[in-house]
Amino acid sequence: DGGITQSPKYLFRKEGQNVTLSCEQNLNHDAMYWYRQDPGQGLRLIYYSQIVNDFQKGDIAEGYSVSREKKESFPLTVTSAQKNPTAFYLCASSSRRGGETQYFGPGTRLLVL
Amino acid sequence: GQNIDQPTEMTATEGAIVQINCTYQTSGFNGLFWYQQHAGEAPTFLSYNVLDGLEEKGRFSSFLSRSKGYSYLLLKELQMKDSASYLCAVRDRDDYKLSFGAGTTVTVRA
Repeated sequence: DGGITQSPKYLFRKEGQNVTLSCEQNLNHDAMYWYRQDPGQGLRLIYYSQIVNDFQKGDIAEGYSVSREKKESFPLTVTSAQKNPTAFYLCASSSRRGGETQYFGPGTRLLVL
Repeated sequence: GQNIDQPTEMTATEGAIVQINCTYQTSGFNGLFWYQQHAGEAPTFLSYNVLDGLEEKGRFSSFLSRSKGYSYLLLKELQMKDSASYLCAVRDRDDYKLSFGAGTTVTVRA
């Protein structure tokens, strides 16, 4: 079945630690996105990539980093510089051209110990 | 940028109709999306409007007025499983990024 997978479902981070969230898609989509969701707030865009080996900062990129070495993979690293990382992280993908919908993975919930 | 407003909460009875409004102010518009999100789960796509008018899809319909910066999602024949958060999102004309509203939590009561 085609779709988007994220792992792990839950992730715990210690102070000063970097953690990486995985996102994989087999939909042959060109574009991939990372969002953060906090209670009572809309989804906020962290980073996005419209093509392999290229990505752009979203609205809240500070404290995060990404890579796009393969079309199907777009991992997100939450660095120690991100002082309030506790949130629900959602990965999405879409075809590059206009008119296509973003489809979401199941999400990773990150908690700070 | 985009500024998107939608009500925080709505409650309705099973079998009834509920209308969720969304207003937006945008520097460039290229479509409006509605997503459904159950608690702790990923958003799932419901509808897409880029031209003015009503799009109907089963029990769900979505309306758009670009001149008014206004959309609504209409949920008919409400079922208990429709209890969820409904997200309005506007796509930017230039870079195709989505900007999301905070979501409307709909509670369906028996």
